[in-house]
Amino acid sequence: DQQVKQNSPSLSVQEGRISILNCDYTNSMFDYFLWYKKYPAEGPTFLISISSIKDKNEDGRFTVFLNKSAKHLSLHIVPSQPGDSAVYFCAATIISGTYKYIFGTGTRLKVLA
Amino acid sequence: EPEVTQTPSHQVTQMGQEVILRCVPISNHLYFYWYRQILGQKVEFLVSFYNNEISEKSEIFDDQFSVERPDGSNFTLKIRSTKLEDSAMYFCASSPLPPAQHFGDGTRLSIL
Repeated sequence: DQQVKQNSPSLSVQEGRISILNCDYTNSMFDYFLWYKKYPAEGPTFLISISSIKDKNEDGRFTVFLNKSAKHLSLHIVPSQPGDSAVYFCAATIISGTYKYIFGTGTRLKVLA
Repeated sequence: EPEVTQTPSHQVTQMGQEVILRCVPISNHLYFYWYRQILGQKVEFLVSFYNNEISEKSEIFDDQFSVERPDGSNFTLKIRSTKLEDSAMYFCASSPLPPAQHFGDGTRLSIL
């Protein structure tokens, strides 16, 4: 079941530069998407979300872009900070459904000082 | 800031034994979830729970699994007869409303 895919297992970025994390999905019924950050030995922490009726949502240094025709979303972090180093998961759900969330495999971001 | 708390942080159990993983969701939340993450793999949805009943469950959540909210504050996941492949991190999450969820720090379940 690969409905949500993150094809880059890892990414390294210099501090202060932009980090771009990508996510693809296959189920066109998904109508809400979320990004989570996860540190070792902790649970995922919600970062930002986007509804399928929008193409962009911004919260501070974090912006999520959604391209529905390509079934692709991305998370931009600007500027990247060493504390952003973590595993990032995208997740998708059908908001009017039964609250089932499908997670991607994660991308490990390393921000180099 | 309110947190989802999970106990124990690490549970070691013999194969075939029953195990109960406990979670205390954030107090005004209405929706509850269990997930698991096998080492090095993705976070997998197990079950969602609302209004004292299961809303959705995945194909992983077979008859060996059950959930309960016994007293209005705890939310438990029971695995009746554990198998080696049940070894994983189990995360509980809660939300006041979908979609955003607050996760606990997980229970590491090790089956011997």
